[in-house]
Amino acid sequence: AQTVTQSQPEMSVQEAETVTLSCTYDTSESDYYLFWYKQPPSRQMILVIRQEAYKQQNATENRFSVNFQKAAKSFSLKISDSQLGDAAMYFCACLANTGNQFYFGTGTSLTVIP
Amino acid sequence: KAGVTQTPRYLIKTRGQQVTLSCSPISGHRSVSWYQQTPGQGLQFLFEYFSETQRNKGNFPGRFSGRQFSNSRSEMNVSTLELGDSALYLCASSRGGPYNEQFFGPGTRLTVL
Repeated sequence: AQTVTQSQPEMSVQEAETVTLSCTYDTSESDYYLFWYKQPPSRQMILVIRQEAYKQQNATENRFSVNFQKAAKSFSLKISDSQLGDAAMYFCACLANTGNQFYFGTGTSLTVIP
Repeated sequence: KAGVTQTPRYLIKTRGQQVTLSCSPISGHRSVSWYQQTPGQGLQFLFEYFSETQRNKGNFPGRFSGRQFSNSRSEMNVSTLELGDSALYLCASSRGGPYNEQFFGPGTRLTVL
């Protein structure tokens, strides 16, 4: 089984600033994938970024990047140049290569202050 | 390409009733997963279907059941509703293999009175 922990229930950031959302996970699998999903107030969850555990290079998608520390089982999300549209609930998730079940954290609610 | 659709979007039921929620995945997706989302609990995995077979099941009572049809559409049923079943139920579809992104539907908001 896997567990995903997001220790920050709420975060806020000034528009155009940078914010980092934390996520730690625990898994006994050697091959797995990590994801960050965003859930705006409209409720449709969308994928922000994903990382293969076997890759040492941190994934980057435009203003979104991750800091993947495999030994520490840490997978934080950095949002640069924050925009009002980034305001949402962010969920960290883990998927083992041997399984078909996503394990989600409890989410971090991000507020962007104009 | 049409996204994942869920019907109905909102539902109000009373305790003891049963309810059926429907999910239509993205065309070509054979995997459908169901989640229960409540404040403070995040997303709790209910079950996952692939090609009409349940591949994984979360830790929910037997009142929660599901099925998948040959066209990959899926239904979730909750019998003998309890107040604690009030939640947003999310459906997600994917191609089914490892590392496959899950695409989520807008959810069905169930309120049990």
